[in-house]
Amino acid sequence: DARVTQTPRHKVTEMGQEVTMRCQPILGHNTVFWYRQTMMQGLELLAYFRNRAPLDDSGMPKDRFSAEMPDATLATLKIQPSEPRDSAVYFCASGFGLSREQYFGPGTRLTVT
Amino acid sequence: AQKVTQAQTEISVVEKEDVTLDCVYETRDTTYYLFWYKQPPSGELVFLIRRNSFDEQNEISGRYSWNFQKSTSSFNFTITASQVVDSAVYFCALSEEDKIIFGKGTRLHILP
Repeated sequence: DARVTQTPRHKVTEMGQEVTMRCQPILGHNTVFWYRQTMMQGLELLAYFRNRAPLDDSGMPKDRFSAEMPDATLATLKIQPSEPRDSAVYFCASGFGLSREQYFGPGTRLTVT
Repeated sequence: AQKVTQAQTEISVVEKEDVTLDCVYETRDTTYYLFWYKQPPSGELVFLIRRNSFDEQNEISGRYSWNFQKSTSSFNFTITASQVVDSAVYFCALSEEDKIIFGKGTRLHILP
């Protein structure tokens, strides 16, 4: 039963610290998505990659967020420096593009104090 | 502009009742895709259904059914004979060529 995995599941950090979240997409999927979920904004697309190339990161605050896909089995989302307003659940999903269904990981719950 | 509206923020029904979750969308594109996802208390979003803009056929899958009407820009989701395990937040989503947007979700409580 193939699943998207994310680490860590929970992260508590202090403002100003660097945070790195990792995602292992389902083998064979060519598109990887990063989302952020908050009570106020709901579920927002931050960035996505197709065949490891970034296609759109317009949803990300550029000055502090960065997303990469060093290889087909690993996607990373980094926040440096973190701020309290970054507190949210960050989801990774994989699939075959925006027009197809996506398979979500369990999320990383980030708390920045 | 692209928009998805789920006007019902929270619904409570008693087990075995039928319930319909509404989804209204806005788009200028003629080619687009609509989705429903379920987010149970465990937190992970689960894909339920996908529809493209050229396929208005309604779909039934067990107790779940979907009504897609382009004339009213709606893609509603009905659960028949609801069960406690259906309690979750349900999201409708719209994707176009290069973007996807999710509605705010409807939290569904099925009371035993």
